[in-house]
Amino acid sequence: KAGVTQTPRYLIKTRGQQVTLSCSPISGHRSVSWYQQTPGQGLQFLFEYFSETQRNKGNFPGRFSGRQFSNSRSEMNVSTLELGDSALYLCASSLVPSGSPSSTDTQYFGPGTRLTVL
Amino acid sequence: AQKVTQAQTEISVVEKEDVTLDCVYETRDTTYYLFWYKQPPSGELVFLIRRNSFDEQNEISGRYSWNFQKSTSSFNFTITASQVVDSAVYFCALGDPPYSGAGSYQLTFGKGTKLSVIP
Repeated sequence: KAGVTQTPRYLIKTRGQQVTLSCSPISGHRSVSWYQQTPGQGLQFLFEYFSETQRNKGNFPGRFSGRQFSNSRSEMNVSTLELGDSALYLCASSLVPSGSPSSTDTQYFGPGTRLTVL
Repeated sequence: AQKVTQAQTEISVVEKEDVTLDCVYETRDTTYYLFWYKQPPSGELVFLIRRNSFDEQNEISGRYSWNFQKSTSSFNFTITASQVVDSAVYFCALGDPPYSGAGSYQLTFGKGTKLSVIP
């Protein structure tokens, strides 16, 4: 079974621009979570999507947004980029069985997208 | 508030030595989940183990073993006979049930312990 895939793997943007990152979960997984990793703050939860709805959100400004499509693929968007947004953005997917509203199955991570803001 | 503390920032050991990575957590939930992930230089977080709060049975998997003690809120990870390929950053994480009643849970990570295994 293919793992979680993220595109692009590397991205360079300038301040003020916006960026869209993509995540394809493991086949059959219906929940997608996003995390930001920086040297200073470590790994921090951004948000989670399930059934095309944002279920949970971390403490990040509104410039960070996301969405999920009917095939469970997810995108996250960062508008008006700041230097501090430079980070590794990791996406994780987990299985939420059909007929069940929630799951505590393990989250499996993708390779990440490394965003550099100049 | 949920919190995970990995007091060891960096550890260096000589190959074949045993090494234990410490993890202490804080949560008000009675049901929670604990994880260890490994992050090699490539950047991808690799899942190692998961423990449910109601299951304090310790586990050994090859050279890896885990010691979960609810009384001290600790979930330590030991590598026996370390190898150079074990060099990575190891993260302990706490997962809380989905408060929204749907979807998955939110992971709270420790700052990580960088393990260097010297040949």
